[in-house]
Amino acid sequence: DQQVKQNSPSLSVQEGRISILNCDYTNSMFDYFLWYKKYPAEGPTFLISISSIKDKNEDGRFTVFLNKSAKHLSLHIVPSQPGDSAVYFCAASGIGGTSYGKLTFGQGTILTVHP
Amino acid sequence: DSGVTQTPKHLITATGQRVTLRCSPRSGDLSVYWYQQSLDQGLQFLIQYYNGEERAKGNILERFSAQQFPDLHSELNLSSLELGDSALYFCASSFSGTNTEAFFGQGTRLTVV
Repeated sequence: DQQVKQNSPSLSVQEGRISILNCDYTNSMFDYFLWYKKYPAEGPTFLISISSIKDKNEDGRFTVFLNKSAKHLSLHIVPSQPGDSAVYFCAASGIGGTSYGKLTFGQGTILTVHP
Repeated sequence: DSGVTQTPKHLITATGQRVTLRCSPRSGDLSVYWYQQSLDQGLQFLIQYYNGEERAKGNILERFSAQQFPDLHSELNLSSLELGDSALYFCASSFSGTNTEAFFGQGTRLTVV
């Protein structure tokens, strides 16, 4: 049961353009969402997060949008740079029960930014 | 550098053996999480400890166990190893145990032959 889904295995964009990575979730108990970036042979690196009480959070070139009614979030990278080429994981955590800080990850999207 | 240290970086062992993976969390972090990343799967949550106590459990096999020590470092023990246990094992830490970003170590690549 895939509670967090990243339906695009890969995305290719030109340097300087916008990269949009998408993520859908099914569990309505999720209330905190994160994006991680991962290079080969390294651990995931935290990028940006958003709480369910917000619909947008911005940090430099990175913006995360949350649409709770659609159970959808997206990460926008503007402008995209070749150094952004990596695997991007969407993750979610929930309140109460046994969720605590446990993160449920999507399968990842490979972003390639061409010079 | 996330501040989370995992040792060893690589481990090759035979089926049926037992191994221990070690994790030192970021200074000040009380919560430690273990995740497994297999080739055909994403990051799967295994187990979480908070200040020495088990807090949450995921799809962790009975052959696997973990603990968090008083100095907050954690160990993941994998026994009766099978070929399918070959994977990357990541440790992550966070200050609290709820709704906060977790910082990941570089992982231990386990190969079972």
